[in-house]
Amino acid sequence: GEDVEQSLFLSVREGDSSVINCTYTDSSSTYLYWYKQEPGAGLQLLTYIFSNMDMKQDQRLTVLLNKKDKHLSLRIADTQTGDSAIYFCAESMRGGSQGNLIFGKGTKLSVKP
Amino acid sequence: GAGVSQTPSNKVTEKGKYVELRCDPISGHTALYWYRQSLGQGPEFLIYFQGTGAADDSGLPNDRFFAVRPEGSVSTLKIQRTERGDSAVYLCASSDGTSANEQFFGPGTRLTVL
Repeated sequence: GEDVEQSLFLSVREGDSSVINCTYTDSSSTYLYWYKQEPGAGLQLLTYIFSNMDMKQDQRLTVLLNKKDKHLSLRIADTQTGDSAIYFCAESMRGGSQGNLIFGKGTKLSVKP
Repeated sequence: GAGVSQTPSNKVTEKGKYVELRCDPISGHTALYWYRQSLGQGPEFLIYFQGTGAADDSGLPNDRFFAVRPEGSVSTLKIQRTERGDSAVYLCASSDGTSANEQFFGPGTRLTVL
C-alpha cells in the first residue's frame, strides 16, 4: 500500500538551514508536495515537484527528489522563527491532474532564536 | 482572492447526533476533496468530487459518512450517529484540475463528539 514517512521532529537555530526528509512508496506518483501547517491553521501549499525533475528551487526553498530511492527533501535556507510549523510531505495518489493526496505524519520544525 | 472556507470552525456535539460540515471551494475549482486529520497525524483522504459527482469515496470509513455537492460548488459532509472516534479536524481542499493537482486547503472544522 501507499505510505509516506517522515521524521517527527527537527530543531534548528535561527539563520541555519533546515532539511526535512521524506520517503514515499508509490513509484507512479507524478507529483510530490510540501505543505506547511501552523498551529490552529489549515495546510498551506509551499511547493511541489514533478517526478521527472530532481531539483526545484523557489526563493529560500529547495526541493530535492531522488526517484530511484523514493526520497524527497525540503531545504529551508536561513531559517527564521516564522518557519516554525509542521511540514507535511504528500504524494499524488494516482498521478495526473486529479486524485487524493497521501500525506506523511508531518515533521515539527522548531526554530530557536 | 477568497480561499477555501469552511463552516463552522468548531462543532461540539453529543454521541449519536447528526452533524453537517460545509465547504465553499475557491470559485471555479472543479475538484473538491474532504480529508480528516486526527491529532498528531497527517490528513487522511475521505472523498473527492469532480463537478457534482463523487469521483472517489473510497476513504469514507463507513456508511455513517456521506457527502454531497449538488451544484458543483459548495459541498456538505454529513455524519450520522456520531461516535467519539469521529472527533477530528475535517479539512476541505479544492483544485482547478490543472496537471499539477495543486490542492488548496480551508482552515478546517474541528469536530468534538462528547
